[in-house]
Amino acid sequence: QKEVEQNSGPLSVPEGAIASLNCTYSDRVSQSFFWYRQYSGKSPELIMSIYSNGDKEDGRFTAQLNKASQYVSLLIRDSQPSDSATYLCAVNGNTGNQFYFGTGTSLTVIP
Amino acid sequence: GAGVSQSPSNKVTEKGKDVELRCDPISGHTALYWYRQSLGQGLEFLIYFQGNSAPDKSGLPSDRFSAERTGGSVSTLTIQRTQQEDSAVYLCASSPHPETQYFGPGTRLLVL
Repeated sequence: QKEVEQNSGPLSVPEGAIASLNCTYSDRVSQSFFWYRQYSGKSPELIMSIYSNGDKEDGRFTAQLNKASQYVSLLIRDSQPSDSATYLCAVNGNTGNQFYFGTGTSLTVIP
Repeated sequence: GAGVSQSPSNKVTEKGKDVELRCDPISGHTALYWYRQSLGQGLEFLIYFQGNSAPDKSGLPSDRFSAERTGGSVSTLTIQRTQQEDSAVYLCASSPHPETQYFGPGTRLLVL
């Protein structure tokens, strides 16, 4: 079983809609959770981090964490074509040093 | 300020040759990570350096892979006797603390 699982997509949403990206992880002791955005041919960039159960909002982005269900999600409100990218979920390992990344969900926002 | 830089940006080599990939982290960042990203795959952790502590090498896939970090700054990832399955993008990230990683542009390695 992979440490971090994501639906590879592709996920397509119309401009202005809400995009919902999901991630599950296997290590119950994980404490830190991250969402990275990776444009094609570019390196990942951090967009959200979350450490506690519940929601964390930053602009159009909301991260949701449920440690009991080992589930973390990212909602993108008012999706824009510029949001089209691959979104990587990352979870820290039990040593705190290692970060496990999912394979990413490809998002396309259709104008 | 300057971000993480990596060199070369692209490297084509023949099977069996050794390659060295370089990472210049952001000045002052004590943590440095190496990852590998194969086509359509997520990032695979390779190695982690934190200050002067012993590196966490648990992600290195074989003894052909090694890395060092000199003076707590520049890092070099060396792959000996390259194989075709080593073809990937090698990403370096640095961080002022383990939670926030800033990635370099990567080195695209192709082993023929």
